[in-house]
Amino acid sequence: GAGVSQTPSNKVTEKGKYVELRCDPISGHTALYWYRQSLGQGPEFLIYFQGTGAADDSGLPNDRFFAVRPEGSVSTLKIQRTERGDSAVYLCASSLMGTGSPGANVLTFGAGSRLTVL
Amino acid sequence: KNQVEQSPQSLIILEGKNCTLQCNYTVSPFSNLRWYKQDTGRGPVSLTIMTFSENTKSNGRYTATLDADTKQSSLHITASQLSDSASYICVVQNSNSGYALNFGKGTSLLVTP
Repeated sequence: GAGVSQTPSNKVTEKGKYVELRCDPISGHTALYWYRQSLGQGPEFLIYFQGTGAADDSGLPNDRFFAVRPEGSVSTLKIQRTERGDSAVYLCASSLMGTGSPGANVLTFGAGSRLTVL
Repeated sequence: KNQVEQSPQSLIILEGKNCTLQCNYTVSPFSNLRWYKQDTGRGPVSLTIMTFSENTKSNGRYTATLDADTKQSSLHITASQLSDSASYICVVQNSNSGYALNFGKGTSLLVTP
């Protein structure tokens, strides 16, 4: 597609429930990133994929968070046993390459998925 | 401590006026610095990207400057428009990290009629 697409745009769930957030990156972009953004803050890194593999998942806050990218394109961020503190906007971004020249890893962001845990 | 600090935290200006947003960073070794514009409810959109050798770059009414010696950058907006109302985020990349980016918290700009 022309841009990074994220679904759902809004998700309201109850504490303890399971949630999946989907990201469809720009076609041909090998690098995919998930960030979390709280109100008034800059994006906080969660995980980075190069192709199908998670090259860096050091930003995932705990083992309730997991992400996959099985075919090197669409990615799903999975959150188990959601807590109120998980409420945030989850941003996905993709870039042509993850490393190399700055021009090769200019990130294009999706509009985000706003998660609200009641 | 955040390695990228932005000021002011928020700013209100009249339509047509100019403004300058500041970014100070401690990220080292430095690779590049980016300015993003984030409209409410949208993802950040890249405005400029500057490497060590570049000290100014323009994108329409937006002009970014970089002083790698003092580790400071500014984003100057000329003849502001209502549509410039957004959060402006400064992002710095470490040359050792390959891909990892350091985000500032952003400056929230409101342009009023």
